[in-house]
Amino acid sequence: GQNIDQPTEMTATEGAIVQINCTYQTSGFNGLFWYQQHAGEAPTFLSYNVLDGLEEKGRFSSFLSRSKGYSYLLLKELQMKDSASYLCAVRGPNFNKFYFGSGTKLNVKP
Amino acid sequence: EPEVTQTPSHQVTQMGQEVILRCVPISNHLYFYWYRQILGQKVEFLVSFYNNEISEKSEIFDDQFSVERPDGSNFTLKIRSTKLEDSAMYFCASSDGGSYNEQFFGPGTRLTVL
Repeated sequence: GQNIDQPTEMTATEGAIVQINCTYQTSGFNGLFWYQQHAGEAPTFLSYNVLDGLEEKGRFSSFLSRSKGYSYLLLKELQMKDSASYLCAVRGPNFNKFYFGSGTKLNVKP
Repeated sequence: EPEVTQTPSHQVTQMGQEVILRCVPISNHLYFYWYRQILGQKVEFLVSFYNNEISEKSEIFDDQFSVERPDGSNFTLKIRSTKLEDSAMYFCASSDGGSYNEQFFGPGTRLTVL
């Protein structure tokens, strides 16, 4: 089976750094994706990791450890517009099948 | 900037009726997907489509569901006999299949089954 866990909700302050964790147990693995989803909108792609290590993309970075089944998304210099849900998704052994976590709702406060 | 479009934005139907949800993927993309998201719940994979056939499907995608690419631009999801529990947001996505396999999502169709 596939199991992807994320915290349900987090709160952080504007200008700060926040780390959103994701752990997964899947029967196969072909990459991990992070998406941002504002309320009532579609998910938008943020990052992709398939090898261990850190991928940096502006204010967003994502880390993967395949041996630990663990990833995190790091958001720096938080802005109010970063208030959204952040979805962790794993591509399974079949290259075109994806499994999403329940998402972490991030509240950024002034 | 190219984008995925979906119609209608909101569909209301009676239980037992057939619905067709329509999507126009980004024109040079090769991989197409349908997802659903029940209100307040996680995004769930339904099906992927490549080279005019289903590539993968989930346990949710049973005989009540079908997909079609009737022409060079549209990608449709049909639900044959809707149930109350089919009420959800349905997202279409497409990808060019590059190394990131970045999927671009459409704005979604909210399906309400009464």
